[in-house]
Amino acid sequence: NAGVTQTPKFQVLKTGQSMTLQCAQDMNHEYMSWYRQDPGMGLRLIHYSVGAGITDQGEVPNGYNVSRSTTEDFPLRLLSAAPSQTSVYFCASSYRLRINSPLHFGNGTRLTVT
Amino acid sequence: AQTVTQSQPEMSVQEAETVTLSCTYDTSESDYYLFWYKQPPSRQMILVIRQEAYKQQNATENRFSVNFQKAAKSFSLKISDSQLGDAAMYFCALLNFGNEKLTFGTGTRLTIIP
Repeated sequence: NAGVTQTPKFQVLKTGQSMTLQCAQDMNHEYMSWYRQDPGMGLRLIHYSVGAGITDQGEVPNGYNVSRSTTEDFPLRLLSAAPSQTSVYFCASSYRLRINSPLHFGNGTRLTVT
Repeated sequence: AQTVTQSQPEMSVQEAETVTLSCTYDTSESDYYLFWYKQPPSRQMILVIRQEAYKQQNATENRFSVNFQKAAKSFSLKISDSQLGDAAMYFCALLNFGNEKLTFGTGTRLTIIP
């Protein structure tokens, strides 16, 4: 049981480049989400999904796209990277986001945009 | 809108002593859940303790307990018999019932002094 797997662990991009952060879970979780963590700002929700084919915006969605074609995968796309997107990104999943089904986090991706 | 405030960016405590981390929140909902997550240097996010707002009894998990004051919208975490392994960032988080958005505070960095 791998839990939540994020790839890559580290990435350096140049301004304007695009890339996809991968997230996969093997727990049959309905809920998946992406957060970014910046110093002094805690974790902020970017996008989330409550099931395959369903996505919605979080607190800071601009500059990011997501899709949920399968239950297992929830990739995060940066179409044109900007230095403001330098951050640590976490993917998290849950069966359903409730008190008895807490979030399971991946180990994070540290992204630097130069 | 829901907000979570952690007013202590950093705290320190002597090993074996007790420390309390503060958290206040704001929500217009009456049913919600509160969580404390721990993030050690490994960057993993680990659920420490959780509380349903409708329960008046404070949650306890071994050395970790909370002081939940619903009227004051306060949710502090008490760590008893502090251990070196407790050193980490601690995040308070709020989830409104029926809402799929988990809101985090900005975190408190806890240092354990041997």
